Amino acid sequence: LAKTTQPISMDSYEGQEVNITCSHNNIATNDYITWYQQFPSQGPRFIIQGYKTKVTNEVASLFIPADRKSSTLSLPRVSLSDTAVYYCLVGETGGFKTIFGAGTRLFVKA
Amino acid sequence: EPEVTQTPSHQVTQMGQEVILRCVPISNHLYFYWYRQILGQKVEFLVSFYNNEISEKSEIFDDQFSVERPDGSNFTLKIRSTKLEDSAMYFCASSELATSYEQYFGPGTRLTVT
Repeated sequence: LAKTTQPISMDSYEGQEVNITCSHNNIATNDYITWYQQFPSQGPRFIIQGYKTKVTNEVASLFIPADRKSSTLSLPRVSLSDTAVYYCLVGETGGFKTIFGAGTRLFVKA
Repeated sequence: EPEVTQTPSHQVTQMGQEVILRCVPISNHLYFYWYRQILGQKVEFLVSFYNNEISEKSEIFDDQFSVERPDGSNFTLKIRSTKLEDSAMYFCASSELATSYEQYFGPGTRLTVT
């Protein structure tokens, strides 16, 4: 399982776009990149997953450069309710073991 | 929208007692997981389960822990003799495929060992 590095915390204001970058220098060919969101006292919630280039859904976009050694989760126009911890996970999608890192604590201010 | 459910939401037990945490995964999912999260710390993988057997387990998942799918809907985590350090939130998750990290998590059971 590839090791990931994310900022410990980030601050933003309502209405801004937030980009959270995750480094995964040892990503393997079969690895996918997955992001989860966790609110206090709740279970993590799947946000988005990708392998290369760009993936977009109704919640976020995921940008993955050609070398795949990093990825950026982009949250458009955040609101106070986006205050949460965001986890980047990298691993083979056929694997049964899921390792969460410390995540990035995003705090959105009014 | 289908969701994972867990019971109880909060369990208080005395050290040395056995506890069983229950989960009902999403009905068409085939892969099941347990995680724990000690207050203020990261989510820790405990075990994954497929086809009625354990697929992977972490170092945390020692002989005090066991999992079972007693029927077609429930998935349980048993801690045989609880310790103070077992106090944590326990999350169950399920996924449709092993070929995806797209897991769906339940709301958790807060276990307090006194």
